[in-house]
Amino acid sequence: EVQLVESGGGLVQPGRSLRLSCTASGFTFGDYAMSWVRQAPGKGLEWVGFIRSKAYGGTTEYAASVKGRFTISRDDSKSIAYLQMNSLKTEDTAVYYCSRLLFRPYYFDYWGQGTLVTVSS
Amino acid sequence: QSALTQPASVSGSPGQSITISCTGTSSDVGSYNLVSWYQQHPGKAPKLMIYEVSKRPSGVSNRFSGSKSGNTASLTISGLQAEDEADYYCCSYAGSSTFVFGTGTKVTVL
Repeated sequence: EVQLVESGGGLVQPGRSLRLSCTASGFTFGDYAMSWVRQAPGKGLEWVGFIRSKAYGGTTEYAASVKGRFTISRDDSKSIAYLQMNSLKTEDTAVYYCSRLLFRPYYFDYWGQGTLVTVSS
Repeated sequence: QSALTQPASVSGSPGQSITISCTGTSSDVGSYNLVSWYQQHPGKAPKLMIYEVSKRPSGVSNRFSGSKSGNTASLTISGLQAEDEADYYCCSYAGSSTFVFGTGTKVTVL
């Protein structure tokens, strides 16, 4: 059974940093791209970014709203994907979901339960 | 990149059919047959319902179907059931390795 478990959320002040983790199980983690999607309170889903599998270079892509501030990485030996968030803004407050991305044809087939990040002074 | 446009709410009685539209542009929905749909119950994670416009993952009821015409994709739920009450989001590949989600639609079963 595929499982994705996010951790690392919490309350953080504007301008500070936070790192989220997504621990995967039930599949060969290294074979898949992994993505982060967020949802502000009471709002819709927003794609944040993704990291390709090593077979596709392990490179990353980001939404314009987070580019230059957020970094996605992966540790295939531990089956963990990370989201490093720097220079946080109040508008980054959201539940952050980790999802497995089927690369070409591009859809998110499994999702974690999410972790809440609150950016506030 | 603007969110895809969905109606804020759609409602129907049990057993009826409803359709949710998802309107994008020629740069996203109109350019790729890579539209997916997600169901989200309150406080829960999204669940994949449709991918590649009209394909259903294993385990998803055949009451859910998808289609696309031009820049607009649609999700139809037939034989509406109480358990279908949830928020629904479309998503499209938007080129250059980016994605865009829809604004979301709240489905109410009357």
